[in-house]
Amino acid sequence: QVQLQESGPGLVKPSETLSLTCTVSGGSISSYYWSWIRQPPGKGLEYIGYIYYSGSTNYNPSLKSRVTISVDTSKNQFSLKLSSVTAADTAVYYCAGAKVADTVFDFWGQGTLVTVSS
Amino acid sequence: EIVMTQSPATLSVSPGERATLSCRASQSVSSNLAWYQQKPGQAPRLLIYGASTRATGIPARFSGSGSGTEFTLTISSLQSEDFAIFFCHQYNDWPQTFGQGTKVEIK
Repeated sequence: QVQLQESGPGLVKPSETLSLTCTVSGGSISSYYWSWIRQPPGKGLEYIGYIYYSGSTNYNPSLKSRVTISVDTSKNQFSLKLSSVTAADTAVYYCAGAKVADTVFDFWGQGTLVTVSS
Repeated sequence: EIVMTQSPATLSVSPGERATLSCRASQSVSSNLAWYQQKPGQAPRLLIYGASTRATGIPARFSGSGSGTEFTLTISSLQSEDFAIFFCHQYNDWPQTFGQGTKVEIK
């Protein structure tokens, strides 16, 4: 059973870069498409983007200019960087995996709350 | 992008009763619609994909229906472990989008 665990700072200052890592256990990172999804307090889920182990990526156009998703196959991890954050980027951030690109998410992490505040 | 609207926001149901949740898309998503269940502090779990196919290990009391813009998730007889938030997800168009969720609570 594949399990995902998000990690990273829970507090980021405005204008700085948010950085999160998702560690994959119980399966190979080379077998799936890996995504980041977020949920601002009281709002719905927003898809950020995904990466394949080869390094190919696809980002939500609304965030594309600020997002970078990368993968480290040696550590079975993938990461999210979101630059120039504001309070609007405060959210629970989830990592998730899909067996096929642009389809359903077969497994998710539990999510981690990131607050943007000075 | 496609907007997914779920109703109701909260559904109060007694154990053993039937629950019917709705999800509407702002334009057709064909059958590329999934449902997930999320309990507090836990990762979301895939219930239904392709609008009506149960994911591996999902009990038969969960069923999905619909196509195009109107979708329904039905829980035939609610068990204590079913009370949670349910959200729909369209993967027909990029970017994929999600509904706001329906909270199913104990009546």
